[in-house]
Amino acid sequence: QKEVEQDPGPLSVPEGAIVSLNCTYSNSAFQYFMWYRQYSRKGPELLMYTYSSGNKEDGRFTAQVDKSSKYISLFIRDSQPSDSATYLCAIKGVGGTSYGKLTFGQGTILTVHP
Amino acid sequence: SAVISQKPSRDICQRGTSLTIQCQVDSQVTMMFWYRQQPGQSLTLIATANQGSEATYESGFVIDKFPISRPNLTFSTLTVSNMSPEDSSIYLCSVDRQGDEQFFGPGTRLTVL
Repeated sequence: QKEVEQDPGPLSVPEGAIVSLNCTYSNSAFQYFMWYRQYSRKGPELLMYTYSSGNKEDGRFTAQVDKSSKYISLFIRDSQPSDSATYLCAIKGVGGTSYGKLTFGQGTILTVHP
Repeated sequence: SAVISQKPSRDICQRGTSLTIQCQVDSQVTMMFWYRQQPGQSLTLIATANQGSEATYESGFVIDKFPISRPNLTFSTLTVSNMSPEDSSIYLCSVDRQGDEQFFGPGTRLTVL
């Protein structure tokens, strides 16, 4: 079992739709939860990070963490064609030899069509 | 955020040769990391490069193949040695800010023939 599981999609939605992206993780020691967006031929861009259960909102993006079920989500409201990219969840270790290290999900390819 | 640059942005190399990738950050950071992204895959951590100490490598990666230098708090290099076509990947450096945010460079796209 991989430490972080993410449905690779691809996911195709119409402009204006609400997008839900999800990951599960297995190690309860993970404490930081990140979402990155990666456009083709670019480096990953940090969208959001959080370290507590619950919701964190930033504009059209909402990150949700449920530590009890080891489940994290990213919601995109009013999706735009410019949101078309690969979305990567990543979980960071915070203690000992795992400090700062990111473990990534497989990435979900999202296409928002006009 | 952090402004991170990498050189070269891309290269095509012959098998058996070596390539050194540079990573430059616009401010001092303690923790830097090197990742590999194989074609169509997600990112895998190669090693952690902290200034003043030896790089620490993840399982499956060894210093002889991927030597790393970290001479100061704004710069690091990763060398891919004795390359084979299986080394064709995107190599990315990242920096960790205050234990919270982690930012990535634009990547170096390597093709080995």
